[in-house]
Amino acid sequence: KAGVTQTPRYLIKTRGQQVTLSCSPISGHRSVSWYQQTPGQGLQFLFEYFSETQRNKGNFPGRFSGRQFSNSRSEMNVSTLELGDSALYLCVSSLEQGARTDTQYFGPGTRLTVL
Amino acid sequence: AQKVTQAQTEISVVEKEDVTLDCVYETRDTTYYLFWYKQPPSGELVFLIRRNSFDEQNEISGRYSWNFQKSTSSFNFTITASQVVDSAVYFCALSEAYTGRRALTFGSGTRLQVQP
Repeated sequence: KAGVTQTPRYLIKTRGQQVTLSCSPISGHRSVSWYQQTPGQGLQFLFEYFSETQRNKGNFPGRFSGRQFSNSRSEMNVSTLELGDSALYLCVSSLEQGARTDTQYFGPGTRLTVL
Repeated sequence: AQKVTQAQTEISVVEKEDVTLDCVYETRDTTYYLFWYKQPPSGELVFLIRRNSFDEQNEISGRYSWNFQKSTSSFNFTITASQVVDSAVYFCALSEAYTGRRALTFGSGTRLQVQP
């Protein structure tokens, strides 16, 4: 079974631009979450999607948004990029079979550099 | 609010030594999950273990073992006979147990360097 895939793997943008990152979860997985990893703040939760609906959101400004498609693929968008948005963005896929949590699998990440 | 503390920023050992990575957590929830993830230099987080708050049994998987103690809110990870391939950053994480509130709260990570 293929793992979580994220595209692109590396991205360089300039301040003020916007960016869209893509994530394909493991086949059959219905939940997709996004995390930001920076040297200063560590790993922080951005948002979680399930069945095309945002189910939970972290403490990030409205410039960060996301969506999930009917095939469970997800995209996240960052508008008006700032230097501090430079980070590794990680997508997480999980099966969501029942009411209890299950294993969350991380993708390889997209490394975004904002100049 | 949830919090995970990994007080050891970096640990350096020589191959074949045993090493323990500490993790202390805070939560008001009675039901929660604890995790350990490994992040090798490639960057991808690799799942190691998930532990339910109701299950305090220690677990062993090969050279890895985990000691969960609810009384001290700790979930420590021990690598026995460490190898160079164990060099990575290790993260302890905590989540609520219920659908829709499963966001992981991570510790700051412990960088383990295993010297040959």
